[in-house]
Amino acid sequence: EADIYQTPRYLVIGTGKKITLECSQTMGHDKMYWYQQDPGMELHLIHYSYGVNSTEKGDLSSESTVSRIRTEHFPLTLESARPSHTSQYLCASSEYVGTDTQYFGPGTRLTVL
Amino acid sequence: AQSVAQPEDQVNVAEGNPLTVKCTYSVSGNPYLFWYVQYPNRGLQFLLKYITGDNLVKGSYGFEAEFNKSQTSFHLKKPSALVSDSALYFCAVRDSLDSWGKLQFGAGTQVVVTP
Repeated sequence: EADIYQTPRYLVIGTGKKITLECSQTMGHDKMYWYQQDPGMELHLIHYSYGVNSTEKGDLSSESTVSRIRTEHFPLTLESARPSHTSQYLCASSEYVGTDTQYFGPGTRLTVL
Repeated sequence: AQSVAQPEDQVNVAEGNPLTVKCTYSVSGNPYLFWYVQYPNRGLQFLLKYITGDNLVKGSYGFEAEFNKSQTSFHLKKPSALVSDSALYFCAVRDSLDSWGKLQFGAGTQVVVTP
């Protein structure tokens, strides 16, 4: 199992709430990623980071924002949650050099009512 | 641009029979190819990868994959499937010419192994 953690695992909230999904890794990886995945469907990259103070938007437009203040921590924030944000969010990390094998956390399943 | 295709939404196999999950790719440079497995309500778990060298790659849980450059394929195989292999399988590709190194994932193939 990879040393990458996500909290909470499950979250049910009401529309309009601000939420932060936490992701931490203890492998010292420079690169980190956020993917959005509807159940049983393909992954869509929504944010990624090269390292501290580096963040980029991914292939799928997302209303979420991310920050990278520490190497090991890559939180994702939704300022005002909507039902369309209901999905599973997967965090991953990889080394900067080499083959960039990505290792994934267990995911956060978000439901917005 | 890189792309990957998994032509089968679902593969059904009886326990003990060989399992094959298909993947084809397209890249500009050389491909770095990966297979991941996802169990219900879990993240993706790395199975194996091909970077260079021997075309037959062995990975976790008895899985292997064969890289075929002429057919641009990287099919996942297991000689004897187990019920516990039932899961969602993703193929992914990275283009060696992509300086950032983003992975492109396929749409996934659901594997159902029946007793």
